[in-house]
Amino acid sequence: DTAVSQTPKYLVTQMGNDKSIKCEQNLGHDTMYWYKQDSKKFLKIMFSYNNKELIINETVPNRFSPKSPDKAHLNLHINSLELGDSAVYFCASSLPLFQPGTVNQPQHFGDGTRLSIL
Amino acid sequence: AQTVTQSQPEMSVQEAETVTLSCTYDTSESDYYLFWYKQPPSRQMILVIRQEAYKQQNATENRFSVNFQKAAKSFSLKISDSQLGDAAMYFCAYRMNRDDKIIFGKGTRLHILP
Repeated sequence: DTAVSQTPKYLVTQMGNDKSIKCEQNLGHDTMYWYKQDSKKFLKIMFSYNNKELIINETVPNRFSPKSPDKAHLNLHINSLELGDSAVYFCASSLPLFQPGTVNQPQHFGDGTRLSIL
Repeated sequence: AQTVTQSQPEMSVQEAETVTLSCTYDTSESDYYLFWYKQPPSRQMILVIRQEAYKQQNATENRFSVNFQKAAKSFSLKISDSQLGDAAMYFCAYRMNRDDKIIFGKGTRLHILP
C-alpha cells in the first residue's frame, strides 16, 4: 500500500496552462507538505498544512495555490504555467508538530511529479 | 534496491565542538546524488549540503563538510564549531540521477549541549 501517493507522475504541458497535482496520504498524518526540487536536485519547501490549516508559506508565486479538502489530501494548483516552473514536485506528510514521542519520526515522501513546460 | 543507513539514532556534542554523523548507502548505480537534510521542530526538510557522486572533492558549506568515500559507499557529515541552532534531526538522502525518487535514512537526532 502506497503511503503517500501523488498523481500524475509525469505532467507535460504548455506555457500558460493551468494544472493540478494531487496528493493523498493514508498514514493518518495531520501535516502535509509540498516541495519543489529544482535543477540542482535539492528540495525546497513551498507549503505546509497542519490539519487543513496553512502553517508554512514560503516565497512562492501566487500562481501556486495549495488546497486541502481534508487532512489526508493536499493538492497543488498552478495557474499560468511558466518555463521556470519545470521541476519535480514532491508531496510529503508527517506526524503533528510537538506531539510527544514523534521527534524521531521522519517525513514520508511521495515519488514526485515531474512537471515539464513546453 | 537502494538503501540508506544511519547507524546513530541520537548524538550529543558540546557547543563549539565538532561532531560527525555517519551515513552509508547501498546502490549499484554510478551516477547519483547524496544529501544531508536538517529537520528542525517545524518539520520541513532543509538542505544542508549536497554531493554529486562523480565529484571526488568533498562538498563544504561553511561549518558543514562531508567525507564522501564512494568505494566504501560512505557519506558522513562533519559539523564544526557546533551551535545551539544546529540541534535538529539530520537525514542522509540518496537520489539516482535517472529517477526522481529520494531515499532517506532514518535520521540522527543531534543534541547540542551548552
